[in-house]
Amino acid sequence: DTGVSQDPRHKITKRGQNVTFRCDPISEHNRLYWYRQTLGQGPEFLTYFQNEAQLEKSRLLSDRFSAERPKGSFSTLEIQRTEQGDSAMYLCASSPQGHYEQYFGPGTRLTVT
Amino acid sequence: DAKTTQPTSMDCAEGRAANLPCNHSTISGNEYVYWYRQIHSQGPQYIIHGLKNNETNEMASLIITEDRKSSTLILPHATLRDTAVYYCIVVFSGGYQKVTFGTGTKLQVIP
Repeated sequence: DTGVSQDPRHKITKRGQNVTFRCDPISEHNRLYWYRQTLGQGPEFLTYFQNEAQLEKSRLLSDRFSAERPKGSFSTLEIQRTEQGDSAMYLCASSPQGHYEQYFGPGTRLTVT
Repeated sequence: DAKTTQPTSMDCAEGRAANLPCNHSTISGNEYVYWYRQIHSQGPQYIIHGLKNNETNEMASLIITEDRKSSTLILPHATLRDTAVYYCIVVFSGGYQKVTFGTGTKLQVIP
């Protein structure tokens, strides 16, 4: 299967710890997106990469959040000093050049205790 | 804020057509209508998109009104596996612009 993959699928951490999530987009998709989703809500945009350049960040992405996409391939999303309010599903999506449909991964469910 | 309005929930009998409406009265000429669905605990899945013509693929049909202010996603023969939250969003075609998902329509297919 060559879909978008995310790792880990589930993460439980204590408040104050740092966590890092990884997303591997579909091969040759140059656009990559991160979203956060809480129960009963639609996905909320966090950030967008075109190749290795981070072109847009939501105001939801506080200074505790950082995302990278070195070499324009996989991406990582790091949350420092986690808070209980960070508990959510973190979704990654990718899309190919010239297209706007996004292909989502299965998500990483974060629980902060 | 989301640029679309959808009913919160709908039911559909298994085997019947499911017609999911979406209002996007402020859509501009260079914005497409996209539909996604999200089955419980999975990532959203792209279904179909259109600009002004009706579109059909193996999953669904998309009917867009002539004034483009509303659209309907049609699942011709709903199955239990179509139970999901369906999101209608508008996407700018002139370059990247962040998309906003609303809360979607929870479709329950009933046996």
